[in-house]
Amino acid sequence: DSGVTQTPKHLITATGQRVTLRCSPRSGDLSVYWYQQSLDQGLQFLIQYYNGEERAKGNILERFSAQQFPDLHSELNLSSLELGDSALYFCASNPFLAYTGELFFGEGSRLTVL
Amino acid sequence: ILNVEQSPQSLHVQEGDSTNFTCSFPSSNFYALHWYRWETAKSPEALFVMTLNGDEKKKGRISATLNTKEGYSYLYIKGSQPEDSATYLCAFIERLDTGNQFYFGTGTSLTVIP
Repeated sequence: DSGVTQTPKHLITATGQRVTLRCSPRSGDLSVYWYQQSLDQGLQFLIQYYNGEERAKGNILERFSAQQFPDLHSELNLSSLELGDSALYFCASNPFLAYTGELFFGEGSRLTVL
Repeated sequence: ILNVEQSPQSLHVQEGDSTNFTCSFPSSNFYALHWYRWETAKSPEALFVMTLNGDEKKKGRISATLNTKEGYSYLYIKGSQPEDSATYLCAFIERLDTGNQFYFGTGTSLTVIP
């Protein structure tokens, strides 16, 4: 158990809909990362938050947005969903910005868009 | 776009065989290199965190080396066992003013045949 909690574990929805994925980082970790893993793809970095502020953006679509709340949990909002958005979405955390140590991953939220 | 390449993409070995994989990364802005083990239906878990050129890490039958000047790391598994079957990911950590960024390779999928 990494200490990172993601909900829901599985989600099935239709094209055009909007969903919210939630992540609670490890206790004390200030930095939260979101990754997308599509079929046959590696982990694609979406966005990073640190202590409530956005710090870096990767290949995140404009239809997607995220935020980190004062209690440090984070939400990834996916809207106007398309079939190609079906993927496993991982959240990971680590203590602080300059930390060279490992990322701690949640178990992922599997999104299926029909 | 920063490229982290892993080879081979997949590998099947017999139980008892030794094997190795490669991770190639840029030789500039290096901060750290991580290896993760990702079992099916689980989340990635860190194997090694490597920060210095020439680093060699070992955990049981698994070891890793790092060459930051030429931009590669090797992961070795000695005497492969079926429980070693997993995807092995490497992550290049780049040091930026905004904080560290993690770039993952697409992984090497290892299947150990009993």
